[in-house]
Amino acid sequence: GDSVTQMEGPVTLSEEAFLTINCTYTATGYPSLFWYVQYPGEGLQLLLKATKADDKGSNKGFEATYRKETTSFHLEKGSVQVSDSAVYFCAPGKNSGGSNYKLTFGKGTLLTVNP
Amino acid sequence: DAGVTQSPTHLIKTRGQQVTLRCSPKSGHDTVSWYQQALGQGPQFIFQYYEEEERQRGNFPDRFSGHQFPNYSSELNVNALLLGDSALYLCASSPGQDGAQYFGPGTRLLVL
Repeated sequence: GDSVTQMEGPVTLSEEAFLTINCTYTATGYPSLFWYVQYPGEGLQLLLKATKADDKGSNKGFEATYRKETTSFHLEKGSVQVSDSAVYFCAPGKNSGGSNYKLTFGKGTLLTVNP
Repeated sequence: DAGVTQSPTHLIKTRGQQVTLRCSPKSGHDTVSWYQQALGQGPQFIFQYYEEEERQRGNFPDRFSGHQFPNYSSELNVNALLLGDSALYLCASSPGQDGAQYFGPGTRLLVL
C-alpha cells in the first residue's frame, strides 16, 4: 500500500531561520500531494497542495514542489515565526472514479520555533 | 461560512459499548471522509461517503460503520468498543472528486 516517510522530529528552530521538512512517498500511480498542519488541540488545516509533477504548492510563505523522479514533496519556508510552531503532515492522496482522495499520512513532524 | 463541525467534542465510554459520532460538512461539500488519529500518530483513513454510499474503506474492521444523509452530514458508528479505539476521530469534507479535504476539530474518544 501507499506510505509516507517524513523526517524525524522534533525540529527546533529560532525565529527567522530557514525551514525544510523532508517528505518522500511510495504510491502506485500518480497521487496528488498535500501538506497539512495541526496546531495544538486542533484538527488539521490544509497548508498547500500539488496535483501533478513539477507543480509547486505555496501558502503563507510555505512552498513544496512535486518531484516525481525522487517521489518527494519537501516543505520549505524561508523565515519561520513562533506562530508556525505545530505538527506538519505530508500526505499523498489518490482518488478513483466516484470518490475523493484517500489520504495516507505520515507520522508528522513537530516544529517548535523559539523567539 | 461555517467550516466542518463535529459533535460531541469529547466522549468517554467503556469497553463493549457502542458510540456514534457526527459530522456536518462545509457548505458546498458533498463528500465526507473519516479518519482515526491515535496519540502521537498521523491520521488513518477509515472510510469515505459520497451520494450516501461508502465509496472507499481503509483497513478497519466491520465494527466501524457509517452513514451519510441527504443533507451530506455523516455519522460514524463504532460497536463493541475496545481500549484501542481511544483516539481523536476526524471528519473531513470535500467538494466532489478533485477537491482538497477540509478537516473538522475532531471528537476525542476515551474508552475505559
